[in-house]
Order: sequence, then C-alpha cells, then structure tokens
Amino acid sequence: EDQVTQSPEALRLQEGESSSLNCSYTVSGLRGLFWYRQDPGKGPEFLFTLYSAGEEKEKERLKATLTKKESFLHITAPKPEDSATYLCAVQEGGGSYIPTFGRGTSLIVHP
Amino acid sequence: EAQVTQNPRYLITVTGKKLTVTCSQNMNHEYMSWYRQDPGLGLRQIYYSMNVEVTDKGDVPEGYKVSRKEKRNFPLILESPSPNQTSLYFCASSFAGANYGYTFGSGTRLTVV
Repeated sequence: EDQVTQSPEALRLQEGESSSLNCSYTVSGLRGLFWYRQDPGKGPEFLFTLYSAGEEKEKERLKATLTKKESFLHITAPKPEDSATYLCAVQEGGGSYIPTFGRGTSLIVHP
Repeated sequence: EAQVTQNPRYLITVTGKKLTVTCSQNMNHEYMSWYRQDPGLGLRQIYYSMNVEVTDKGDVPEGYKVSRKEKRNFPLILESPSPNQTSLYFCASSFAGANYGYTFGSGTRLTVV
C-alpha cells in the first residue's frame, strides 16, 4: 500500500480555471510534507514544506494546505507556464529524514 | 551557483558492463540520495546517505551500490547492469534534519540493451 497517494493522475485546465491537486498520506507521525514541481526531462524543483495541520504556504498562483490526512495544492488562475508534474513527498516521524514520494499529478494548462 | 551535478546526462550501455554515474553537490549538504523514476511508478529511492561513510538502502537497492567517501560526492555504481535498470536516475541532496527540501540534479537517462 502506497504511503503517499496523489490525485488526480492527470488534470487539464483552461488558462484561468482554478483547481486543486490532492495528496493523501498514511504515515504515522508526519514530520514534514513537501511539494515539488517537475518539468519534462528535468529534476524536481522544491516548492513548499508543510509541518503541521492547518499550515498554509503560498507562492505566486500556488497555495499549499495541510490537514492530518492530506494536503492540497491550490492553483489560482493558472497560466500555461504552470504546466508540469507536481509531486508530493512525506517524511515520517521516527524514521530517517528521507522523503517518500507520490506518483505525481500531471497538469496541463491550455491557453 | 548552488547545484547538484550528475554525469553523464545520457548513457547507453550493454548488459553486464559495469558503470558509474557520478553525483556532486556544492552546497555542503549532509544528506544525499539516489532515485529512479519510471513511468507509472514515480520516484523510488535506491540508496541514501546521511553523512560521510553512512549509507543505507532505500526501496529498490538491488543491483546498485553507492559510496560516500567525501561529503560532496555520492556515486551510483551498477556492477552488472541489466535491461530492467533502464530508467531515469536522479541524485538529490539536502541539509540534515527534518523538513529541508531536496535539491535535485538534472537526471541521467540510462538505457541498458
């Protein structure tokens, strides 16, 4: 069973059409949850770290939120340049500090 | 510029021919890790290192070796590559402790024929 599940697997939006990506996790004692952006053929790029339920982080059109079981990445009025795969990763408390990644959500924003 | 450098970017090799993928970081990070990325499977961890001479297996270590003799370098060694090791490989590094995001390299696309 995957510890980190992302949905949907793929999402197509029109420019300006806001939406949310989901990351649910089953680890016990979450130490941290991360969001990354990955462009085709490139390494993931770090976006946010969330530590505790209720926390929110924002960067341009992106806002990440965290509850005890899941995280959302809200994309407001997306632009074509926001097209990428968005990856979620978690660090479990009590273990190593090495994150476990979800399989990602592929986002395409059409002009 | 702060970065993680992997070499080579692309590699085609034959089954059984030993190869090494190098990884170097210039940020004085304690943690380094190797991942492979395959369609539909996402990023899976191969090996990680929490400091010099400290390495441990990730989720898919079979067929791979690593070493961490210096803080900046973390090479990935395939002693006898097989076609199922054809994949996109990423090296990543971060500072020690919880909640630091990883900096990833640009990736190495390996094909084993």
